Amino acid sequence: AQTVTQSQPEMSVQEAETVTLSCTYDTSESNYYLFWYKQPPSRQMILVIRQEAYKQQNATENRFSVNFQKAAKSFSLKISDSQLGDTAMYFCAFMKRGTSYGKLTFGQGTILTVHP
Amino acid sequence: SAVISQKPSRDICQRGTSLTIQCQVDSQVTMMFWYRQQPGQSLTLIATANQGSEATYESGFVIDKFPISRPNLTFSTLTVSNMSPEDSSIYLCSVDKGVDTGELFFGEGSRLTVL
Repeated sequence: AQTVTQSQPEMSVQEAETVTLSCTYDTSESNYYLFWYKQPPSRQMILVIRQEAYKQQNATENRFSVNFQKAAKSFSLKISDSQLGDTAMYFCAFMKRGTSYGKLTFGQGTILTVHP
Repeated sequence: SAVISQKPSRDICQRGTSLTIQCQVDSQVTMMFWYRQQPGQSLTLIATANQGSEATYESGFVIDKFPISRPNLTFSTLTVSNMSPEDSSIYLCSVDKGVDTGELFFGEGSRLTVL
């Protein structure tokens, strides 16, 4: 079974600054996806960024980037130039490719607050 | 992307009653997934619903408690049966993107409070 751990229950950052959210996971699988999802107060879960385990290059999406360390089973999210709209709960998630398609294993979440 | 509509958005229910949550997608999808988010907690997969077959339930979830219907490729329902306060949660419907990306789209969720 897979586990995902987010050790930071809450984080805060000033607008325009950079913040990094931590995530570690445990799995015996070699072929999987890792995700960061954002859940604002509206409850809508939104995909922030996706990483395929077989790709060594770290994924980036505009202001969002990850540091994927497969051997260390670490998957942190860096948010640059933080904006007020980034305030949300952020979940790290794991999905095994293949027969467990659609089954996301989520971490406990990190509440991020961006201050003006 | 997929647009997912859930009804009800929120409800307050009495202990021992049942409530059915509807999930409508704006395009045909093969697989639909139901997740539960208990207060202050992360999300947990309840079951996978495929059209034309019985839903597949995750460990700890049973069909008698969470019956699921999937009558067509754009619609599914989840019923929470014989509710207790422990069932107070947000229930979210999600669908896959249709290609092998792993990405799931989520509805806004249905917040149930059981008194």
